Amino acid sequence: SQQGEEDPQALSIQEGENATMNCSYKTSINNLQWYRQNSGRGLVHLILIRSNEREKHSGRLRVTLDTSKKSSSLLITASRAADTASYFCATDASGFNKFYFGSGTKLNVKP
Amino acid sequence: DVKVTQSSRYLVKRTGEKVFLECVQDMDHENMFWYRQDPGLGLRLIYFSYDVKMKEKGDIPEGYSVSREKKERFSLILESASTNQTSMYLCASSSHGNAKAKNIQYFGAGTRLSVL
Repeated sequence: SQQGEEDPQALSIQEGENATMNCSYKTSINNLQWYRQNSGRGLVHLILIRSNEREKHSGRLRVTLDTSKKSSSLLITASRAADTASYFCATDASGFNKFYFGSGTKLNVKP
Repeated sequence: DVKVTQSSRYLVKRTGEKVFLECVQDMDHENMFWYRQDPGLGLRLIYFSYDVKMKEKGDIPEGYSVSREKKERFSLILESASTNQTSMYLCASSSHGNAKAKNIQYFGAGTRLSVL
């Protein structure tokens, strides 16, 4: 399986701090995405980074991709209590819209 | 905005019942997906469909079937529900579309199914 794996499984920080989550995967990919899931809800797409990109920004989000290490990181800067959620990476190697999701990082931002 | 609607948020069924989970999307997406989500296991793909009447097995199709008679609707069927199918079920859709759009999946809110 080329399922992505997030690390850490859980992260607890204070509001205003930065949160970093990591994702590792096993095989070559076309792109990697990060999704967010609020408790008991569906996933929402955050950001996509292609295999030929190394870094991407979107608001307070920064994603890096290192294809040589088969890893990615998601940085949320100046976290807010509303950022409390689970974060998943998803990889697409098939080019056929078939995604592999990791088991997620559960982020708790304390006010 | 894309809207993916799952017919039930919570569902309680008995062992052996035939269960239908319905998913409808309003963005004319070609691709639709059914996942199940269990603690510690992440999302696992059950079935997906890239066109009407087309279906492909995902990683865990056993005990499930699907139906896609119309483009906007993708149904997941548990032929004979068992307790190990108690889970959160998530439907998603995506477009063939342009190179960027086709890679983003849009999810429904999920159906939490309990099989007793």
